[in-house]
Amino acid sequence: SQQGEEDPQALSIQEGENATMNCSYKTSINNLQWYRQNSGRGLVHLILIRSNEREKHSGRLRVTLDTSKKSSSLLITASRAADTASYFCATRYSSASKIIFGSGTRLSIRP
Amino acid sequence: EPEVTQTPSHQVTQMGQEVILRCVPISNHLYFYWYRQILGQKVEFLVSFYNNEISEKSEIFDDQFSVERPDGSNFTLKIRSTKLEDSAMYFCASTRTTDTQYFGPGTRLTVL
Repeated sequence: SQQGEEDPQALSIQEGENATMNCSYKTSINNLQWYRQNSGRGLVHLILIRSNEREKHSGRLRVTLDTSKKSSSLLITASRAADTASYFCATRYSSASKIIFGSGTRLSIRP
Repeated sequence: EPEVTQTPSHQVTQMGQEVILRCVPISNHLYFYWYRQILGQKVEFLVSFYNNEISEKSEIFDDQFSVERPDGSNFTLKIRSTKLEDSAMYFCASTRTTDTQYFGPGTRLTVL
């Protein structure tokens, strides 16, 4: 399977703490994207990182990519209650335009 | 900011009936996609569409499924004869290049 897999499957942290989610994949990619999904709702694009990039920032989000280990991480700093959601990585392989989603990390922020 | 829109937000149908799910992609986008997410499971790719034809499809996208871009704005997914296992959230996505895909809010399909 080419699919990315996130870990942990579920993460519960205190508001204000940092949350780190990891994604691993199996074959060479063109880019990797992170999405957020609130319960039963749509997919919101957070950040895209290309295979030739190692790190990207967007507000409180930091994404890293290690192509040698075929892994990526999403760091959310200073978490807020509104960050409670499922987070998915999605990889795009060179030969196709579709993206393949991982199984996601359910993040819960405790007040 | 332009958005992908989908209608209806929730569709309930009887097994064996035909359904058409509608999407309006972002206006200058060139690539269009359908994905689905069965409750509690991961998002799965169904089909991609470019230059008025299917460019790729998954094993899920069998003869019961079809897509169409009937005019310059709509992109539809038709399921000819729905089965119970077709119950899922269906997402439309579009992109101008093959980079960031923008997703619509989804249509929840319930097959009874």
